[in-house]
Amino acid sequence: KAGVTQTPRYLIKTRGQQVTLSCSPISGHRSVSWYQQTPGQGLQFLFEYFSETQRNKGNFPGRFSGRQFSNSRSEMNVSTLELGDSALYLCASSLSGVNTGELFFGEGSRLTVL
Amino acid sequence: GQNIDQPTEMTATEGAIVQINCTYQTSGFNGLFWYQQHAGEAPTFLSYNVLDGLEEKGRFSSFLSRSKGYSYLLLKELQMKDSASYLCAVASGGSYIPTFGRGTSLIVHP
Repeated sequence: KAGVTQTPRYLIKTRGQQVTLSCSPISGHRSVSWYQQTPGQGLQFLFEYFSETQRNKGNFPGRFSGRQFSNSRSEMNVSTLELGDSALYLCASSLSGVNTGELFFGEGSRLTVL
Repeated sequence: GQNIDQPTEMTATEGAIVQINCTYQTSGFNGLFWYQQHAGEAPTFLSYNVLDGLEEKGRFSSFLSRSKGYSYLLLKELQMKDSASYLCAVASGGSYIPTFGRGTSLIVHP
């Protein structure tokens, strides 16, 4: 079956702009989680959506937001970009909310903020 | 919050055995996970431990001691393709969302 698909794979933005990233989970998976990965901080949890509702949220400012559609596809948005937002943004899906621990990750969207 | 500690980097020889340790401090433990991430690729699931003991899966084994806040990932018969980052992650506090450590970069040399 098809894996988790993230678009775009690479993008460059400037400070102050906003960006929207997309994630299509594995068919049948209802939970989508987003993570930010940087060399210094590792993988940090942003938020999780399940059945179109945000169920869990990490410690990121309100500039980071997301949503999930009825087909389980998810988007995350970062507004007023800062240099420190440069990172790999990973999306992960699971069947029912990661209670088995097995998250299926996409290849990620690498964001560079200039 | 959670503190998850694992070594930054390890090196080992092809064919050898390597043990990657992970210690954590948390409340309301819900499980510990290990993921493998090759450079430029997505993390992939290796193991999930929620009870104490050793879980074996082929060349990879994962151990958990909840009382000690300690886990290790054991890789046997190392192959060059095992060169990757190994991420320890812990779920706790009523959530099953794992919090990840910074990862251990394993370099396997001939």
